[in-house]
Amino acid sequence: DTEVTQTPKHLVMGMTNKKSLKCEQHMGHRAMYWYKQKAKKPPELMFVYSYEKLSINESVPSRFSPECPNSSLLNLHLHALQPEDSALYLCASSHEREWQYEQYFGPGTRLTVT
Amino acid sequence: QQQVKQSPQSLIVQKGGISIINCAYENTAFDYFPWYQQFPGKGPALLIAIRPDVSEKKEGRFTISFNKSAKQFSLHIMDSQPGDSATYFCAARGKSTFGDGTTLTVKP
Repeated sequence: DTEVTQTPKHLVMGMTNKKSLKCEQHMGHRAMYWYKQKAKKPPELMFVYSYEKLSINESVPSRFSPECPNSSLLNLHLHALQPEDSALYLCASSHEREWQYEQYFGPGTRLTVT
Repeated sequence: QQQVKQSPQSLIVQKGGISIINCAYENTAFDYFPWYQQFPGKGPALLIAIRPDVSEKKEGRFTISFNKSAKQFSLHIMDSQPGDSATYFCAARGKSTFGDGTTLTVKP
């Protein structure tokens, strides 16, 4: 199974809402990543978890809060977002530690902030 | 600071033609160079990758050519098909190392 799943596929939320994005993989990967992707741009790294510990935070605003409850799950909690946060949010995973050779991406969650 | 530069930004090729996308990098410590293919509304998928100890890698219609001295690598898509129409990103192993992407359109 080489699949990374993400839920929901689409999310529309107001600026005062709290919502969460979920990512799951069952490949035994110990590094998991959150990326943000705007239209016609490359994925932009947000967070990296390695062995369930946050190892990289790319100066992401605190309205984004990641969580890694176990080695298969990665969440991104959203609160008080801005319209410019509307984007495709991608989860990825790779073997053992960050920047192992292959990254497997999920299909993404299309987020719209109104 | 972008560590991998990709060109062209967009590419239109006739069906059956060869598509060529180029990337250049600066950091000689990079040791793995993947190419990702992304269809609209989907996540990137690893297409093919190369390490700097080889000059070429071929998988089906997709070939990576690697020039270590020039710090350049390229993706060649032979016999391009309309189903290859997608955005292609080159990358290097490490953070913030995606190229800007190339939108490929293959005309029937």
